[in-house]
Amino acid sequence: NAGVTQTPKFRVLKTGQSMTLLCAQDMNHEYMYWYRQDPGMGLRLIHYSVGEGTTAKGEVPDGYNVSRLKKQNFLLGLESAAPSQTSVYFCASSHSGVESEAFFGQGTRLTVV
Amino acid sequence: SQKIEQNSEALNIQEGKTATLTCNYTNYSPAYLQWYRQDPGRGPVFLLLIRENEKEKRKERLKVTFDTTLKQSLFHITASQPADSATYLCALSNSGYALNFGKGTSLLVTP
Repeated sequence: NAGVTQTPKFRVLKTGQSMTLLCAQDMNHEYMYWYRQDPGMGLRLIHYSVGEGTTAKGEVPDGYNVSRLKKQNFLLGLESAAPSQTSVYFCASSHSGVESEAFFGQGTRLTVV
Repeated sequence: SQKIEQNSEALNIQEGKTATLTCNYTNYSPAYLQWYRQDPGRGPVFLLLIRENEKEKRKERLKVTFDTTLKQSLFHITASQPADSATYLCALSNSGYALNFGKGTSLLVTP
């Protein structure tokens, strides 16, 4: 069982470049999430989705866009990367929101220089 | 504003003792509260979920309490082992859709 898979695992971007982080889950979960984790800040919710074709803003959505065209995939885009977006990004999925456990990917370490 | 507060200082305990971690929250009325474990360089892993109408939940050496009056959850690891060393995260929500996480408490169990 793959669970939640994030691609890529590491990436270095130059300021102003764009990129897309891919999250794939094979558990048929409705809910999917993108978090970022910074030292001293904990996990902060960027965007989430409650089903295919839906997205919603979380706590820190600025500078990011997301899409959920297929139920199993949740894409996080950075249109113009900034050094403040240097972070570790985690994708997660769950069957029924906060009523069930969330499964996390292994993380993507992104550095913007 | 909404806050989820966990002990910021690392908790160091001796093997075999009980570790107790605290999660306090402000301006939340969560129906569910969850605890996760995170090891360095890895994603969080789910441990326990407790509902607002449950006072206590147990799983093997783990115990969670949930006091909605005090707005507090306590997480206990009994007979702790060095392998229990990790960061433990408390998570809850008002929305029902997505979890908000505390900053976590680092636990170090020494032999």
